[in-house]
Amino acid sequence: DAGVTQSPTHLIKTRGQQVTLRCSPKSGHDTVSWYQQALGQGPQFIFQYYEEEERQRGNFPDRFSGHQFPNYSSELNVNALLLGDSALYLCASSLSGQPQHFGDGTRLSIL
Amino acid sequence: GNSVTQMEGPVTLSEEAFLTINCTYTATGYPSLFWYVQYPGEGLQLLLKATKADDKGSNKGFEATYRKETTSFHLEKGSVQVSDSAVYFCALSDHDNAGNMLTFGGGTRLMVKP
Repeated sequence: DAGVTQSPTHLIKTRGQQVTLRCSPKSGHDTVSWYQQALGQGPQFIFQYYEEEERQRGNFPDRFSGHQFPNYSSELNVNALLLGDSALYLCASSLSGQPQHFGDGTRLSIL
Repeated sequence: GNSVTQMEGPVTLSEEAFLTINCTYTATGYPSLFWYVQYPGEGLQLLLKATKADDKGSNKGFEATYRKETTSFHLEKGSVQVSDSAVYFCALSDHDNAGNMLTFGGGTRLMVKP
């Protein structure tokens, strides 16, 4: 039974570019959440998707957007990348109020 | 808004020592409380949880009790091993829905020496 899988593992971009990160939830899970974890800090909630709609959103600018597909997989898009967007991006999935399960993340570096 | 405060690390212990990592929280209502562990180069793994006051979560020798009167959820283990070396995060979710957005503390790095 595969857990939460994220791709790519690592990514290097330059300022001003756009990036798309992908997440496949754990089998049977219907809710996907995204978090940003800066180096040495705790994860910060970006947003959560359920039934293909954004259900909750944290304190992140509109440059951060997402999508959930009918198969429950999800994408995180970040436009106009800034140096401060360098972080580990974590995807987590859950089902009907159960605790979230995390993937290993995508390490995004902005040059 | 919600917040979680953890003791700063790193915490360095010898093998078989007793571990306590303090965690306090601020939240409205009755949040669910969690401890997650992050090993180097990996994502977060759920270690234990508690969903109501006085509940004790436990797993792999780790324990934490939901104390509403002191708004705390301290992590303890009676005898740590080298393999417990990792970063530990205390977290909460709103209300009774454990699948809601998580608010994390800053993390506490634990280093266990042989």
